[in-house]
Amino acid sequence: AQSVTQLDSQVPVFEEAPVELRCNYSSSVSVYLFWYVQYPNQGLQLLLKYLSGSTLVKGINGFEAEFNKSQTSFHLRKPSVHISDTAEYFCAVSTQAAGNKLTFGGGTRVLVKP
Amino acid sequence: KAGVTQTPRYLIKTRGQQVTLSCSPISGHRSVSWYQQTPGQGLQFLFEYFSETQRNKGNFPGRFSGRQFSNSRSEMNVSTLELGDSALYLCASSLGENSFYNEQFFGPGTRLTVL
Repeated sequence: AQSVTQLDSQVPVFEEAPVELRCNYSSSVSVYLFWYVQYPNQGLQLLLKYLSGSTLVKGINGFEAEFNKSQTSFHLRKPSVHISDTAEYFCAVSTQAAGNKLTFGGGTRVLVKP
Repeated sequence: KAGVTQTPRYLIKTRGQQVTLSCSPISGHRSVSWYQQTPGQGLQFLFEYFSETQRNKGNFPGRFSGRQFSNSRSEMNVSTLELGDSALYLCASSLGENSFYNEQFFGPGTRLTVL
């Protein structure tokens, strides 16, 4: 079975400052990794995903994440945040055998302050 | 192209009742997955349907059930509602069977409140 830990439940950050959201996973097999964002009263939107290949993955809205197999991590970063980045962010993992099933972390709420 | 739609968006029920939630996937998508989102337990996988067959099931009691129709629309049913079933229920649709190949698109959810 897989599990995902998001180490920070809330991250306050000032506008135009960088942000990093931490994600660690546990799995006995190779994994696919995802970051989703959820804006208030909305569903989830895919930011980026790691399937294989280059460990640095670029996504939408200026976000990027780096897969580190030895540390079993997939941290999300943005060099300069905007007010509109205020949302909840979820890290998720899947495997070849899991099909479309995603296992999510607990989420990190990002509050961007002016 | 229309996104994933879920109906109703909000629902209030009382303990012991049953409820049916509906999900219409993106046109052409054959996979529908359901998730429960609560403040305490986070996002938890309920089940997935592909071409009318349940392919995967999470760790939920038998009160939670689902089905998928030939047009890929899906319904989930919760019988004998409990207070703890209050949650946002999210539906996701995908073109194929595996997240490696196909992105999953989420609907806005149905917020169920059990009184």
